[in-house]
Amino acid sequence: DTGVSQDPRHKITKRGQNVTFRCDPISEHNRLYWYRQTLGQGPEFLTYFQNEAQLEKSRLLSDRFSAERPKGSFSTLEIQRTEQGDSAMYLCASSQRTGGDYGYTFGSGTRLTVV
Amino acid sequence: AQTVTQSQPEMSVQEAETVTLSCTYDTSESDYYLFWYKQPPSRQMILVIRQEAYKQQNATENRFSVNFQKAAKSFSLKISDSQLGDAAMYFCALMKTSYDKVIFGPGTSLSVIP
Repeated sequence: DTGVSQDPRHKITKRGQNVTFRCDPISEHNRLYWYRQTLGQGPEFLTYFQNEAQLEKSRLLSDRFSAERPKGSFSTLEIQRTEQGDSAMYLCASSQRTGGDYGYTFGSGTRLTVV
Repeated sequence: AQTVTQSQPEMSVQEAETVTLSCTYDTSESDYYLFWYKQPPSRQMILVIRQEAYKQQNATENRFSVNFQKAAKSFSLKISDSQLGDAAMYFCALMKTSYDKVIFGPGTSLSVIP
């Protein structure tokens, strides 16, 4: 098990373009979370899935953002019509409820720069 | 609403010395988890230590220990025998139930002086 993988590590895009990020969680983890982290700040929750069901979305997730986890495994986060304010690190995390063990694991993130 | 506050944007410590990072939080939940995460320049978020709110005993992990004051809603991190590898951003965080979303504070940047 190699942990939570995110792809790409870096993405530079022009304002107005669409971008898509991928997250592969730890295989046995049924919960998957997306966070956004701007420079010098702590991560902010965006949304999370339990298996394929999207259970909660933050108000930070505008209608230009959409996330999917079609088969309860990997997840994608798409941003349409990117704006400069979307520039941030997008972090993915996964977890699994197994007794008292805490299995919340973060990926290394995708850094988005909108120019 | 749940909030986490870290009042020290930057801290520094001499190598081998001890440093304490402060954190206060607010929640209406009676049972929750508190964490300290470390984020080095590589950006990988690493769990340093966790504390279950129902446990009165303060958590300890090697050189890292916490001072958990539930009534005061305070959760400080003490790093003993500081090492150069401890230099990083440290985030205090709160989770209201097991495996729920995590609420992070703004972070404290720790520098370790050789």
